[in-house]
Amino acid sequence: DVKVTQSSRYLVKRTGEKVFLECVQDMDHENMFWYRQDPGLGLRLIYFSYDVKMKEKGDIPEGYSVSREKKERFSLILESASTNQTSMYLCASSHEYTGELFFGEGSRLTVL
Amino acid sequence: GENVEQHPSTLSVQEGDSAVIKCTYSDSASNYFPWYKQELGKRPQLIIDIRSNVGEKKDQRIAVTLNKTAKHFSLHITETQPEDSAVYFCAARNYGGSQGNLIFGKGTKLSVKP
Repeated sequence: DVKVTQSSRYLVKRTGEKVFLECVQDMDHENMFWYRQDPGLGLRLIYFSYDVKMKEKGDIPEGYSVSREKKERFSLILESASTNQTSMYLCASSHEYTGELFFGEGSRLTVL
Repeated sequence: GENVEQHPSTLSVQEGDSAVIKCTYSDSASNYFPWYKQELGKRPQLIIDIRSNVGEKKDQRIAVTLNKTAKHFSLHITETQPEDSAVYFCAARNYGGSQGNLIFGKGTKLSVKP
């Protein structure tokens, strides 16, 4: 069964803290994505990666960075968390050619 | 870049009725249009998709139609059941090789009343 696993379901952090969100997929997918989900705004793409050590900005990359050192792992980093980054973060992966996104369970981040 | 508009934002129907959700897109080069369903507290999952060389696709009670000239596509759910209650997202992308990302609509919250 296809699996995308996000390391933390719920996190509470303070303003200014560095935050790491980890995502691992076991499907040998080339593509990995980080989305942010907010009520009424849908799913917005933060960053994506089509290969190891490769990253590209999505629609809302400000305040975020990513790391992909291994094919199965894609990390989202908030260098200095702010309250407006309180949100649900969804990781996803897809095969290079099929296009279907497989999502993780999500990480709900609260920044106080 | 691509922009996807989705309507309505909320939809309430009686069990057994049909539900229709509509999306429009802006980039005429987009050629892949999936629909994702997200039940409360769960991850989004693909329920049906259509590519631009097809005008309609059906899978049991759900169907998707595509009008490339008008740049809109719709999700049709017939004989709705309470378990159809969820948020539905449409998306579009230019499926050129491995490039091109999915652009999502803002979602439609469907409530099916027993």
